[in-house]
Amino acid sequence: EPEVTQTPSHQVTQMGQEVILRCVPISNHLYFYWYRQILGQKVEFLVSFYNNEISEKSEIFDDQFSVERPDGSNFTLKIRSTKLEDSAMYFCASSDQGLMGEKLFFGSGTQLSVL
Amino acid sequence: AQTVTQSQPEMSVQEAETVTLSCTYDTSENNYYLFWYKQPPSRQMILVIRQEAYKQQNATENRFSVNFQKAAKSFSLKISDSQLGDTAMYFCAFGAGGTSYGKLTFGQGTILTVHP
Repeated sequence: EPEVTQTPSHQVTQMGQEVILRCVPISNHLYFYWYRQILGQKVEFLVSFYNNEISEKSEIFDDQFSVERPDGSNFTLKIRSTKLEDSAMYFCASSDQGLMGEKLFFGSGTQLSVL
Repeated sequence: AQTVTQSQPEMSVQEAETVTLSCTYDTSENNYYLFWYKQPPSRQMILVIRQEAYKQQNATENRFSVNFQKAAKSFSLKISDSQLGDTAMYFCAFGAGGTSYGKLTFGQGTILTVHP
């Protein structure tokens, strides 16, 4: 089965630094998402992206976050100035047609640690 | 806003036995989907089974089946003939309409351990 690939698997950064988390969605998918999971808490929706635009974002996705599809294959999440509370597992996901009930394909996540 | 609650932080079962994981949700939506995702140690979340709210018949996928009680807002997962490879974290999730159909609301997860 095709896979969503995320790099790096672990990222350690200093508070205030910028980080870019990278994802390669499944090649023919058009809809892309970022989720995060703070240790011991629920998996939370951050943002959805289609046709080079944000479709929807959560309250968590404030001005320090941005997403981009810089080329035909990558989908990135940038955190401009990291805070301690940004430490979490970040999951990228993609789907084919963006339909209700459609299967999301998730990557294995990037564990971000902000020191 | 939707909420999803999984009240069992951990469950265990013997190999070949049956186990049921619980999930309740709250919503004012009429049309929605419910999902069970599995997260093994590899961390990649994998769709196990899904149920459309309008369908009365409970979904089944091989050894996995759900008990969907719409009025009670309950959506439990039954795993029959449990296998060692079923050991994982299981998340219940809710998806409805709106701008993005890929926006899911997850429960807290249940860690399932299958013992030999």
